[in-house]
Amino acid sequence: DQQVKQNSPSLSVQEGRISILNCDYTNSMFDYFLWYKKYPAEGPTFLISISSIKDKNEDGRFTVFLNKSAKHLSLHIVPSQPGDSAVYFCAASEGTYKYIFGTGTRLKVLA
Amino acid sequence: KAGVTQTPRYLIKTRGQQVTLSCSPISGHRSVSWYQQTPGQGLQFLFEYFSETQRNKGNFPGRFSGRQFSNSRSEMNVSTLELGDSALYLCASSLNRGLEKLFFGSGTQLSVL
Repeated sequence: DQQVKQNSPSLSVQEGRISILNCDYTNSMFDYFLWYKKYPAEGPTFLISISSIKDKNEDGRFTVFLNKSAKHLSLHIVPSQPGDSAVYFCAASEGTYKYIFGTGTRLKVLA
Repeated sequence: KAGVTQTPRYLIKTRGQQVTLSCSPISGHRSVSWYQQTPGQGLQFLFEYFSETQRNKGNFPGRFSGRQFSNSRSEMNVSTLELGDSALYLCASSLNRGLEKLFFGSGTQLSVL
């Protein structure tokens, strides 16, 4: 049973436009969420996180939104750059010191 | 500061063999977690070690095991390899346990023939 779902396996966006990556979860006990970016042949790198006590967190071009009632979070990248082309994973934790990852969304930013 | 180092980068084994993967965490990091990445399945949690003790385990068969040494370095072992074990195995470290961001290594790509 996939508790964290990224239903869009891929997304293409024009350079300079907004990229919106979505993530849904089923476990209402999840209280901490993270986004990771992964380039080929490299390990995932941390992008941004959000606690369940917040509904928004910003870091530069990256903003994560959390809608607890809908069990949905999204990552907004504005403006999108070609270097943002990668696979993005969302992850969730319920404080058990392990993270449940989604299956990833491959973002392609077109120049 | 050096990042998380995983060795080897690539491995080719045959069914029935066993394999040992190694992970050196970032200096000072005490928690090490292992994940398996396969196409379409994302990253699946294998186990977490802290202070040489396994603290958490994912839903993998007993063929998958691990350990952590006093210097926080960790190894994972897979015995009686199956074709389905072909995957990228990622190690991640964090300073302590808790809601901390994980720092990942580049992984070991295991192919089972």
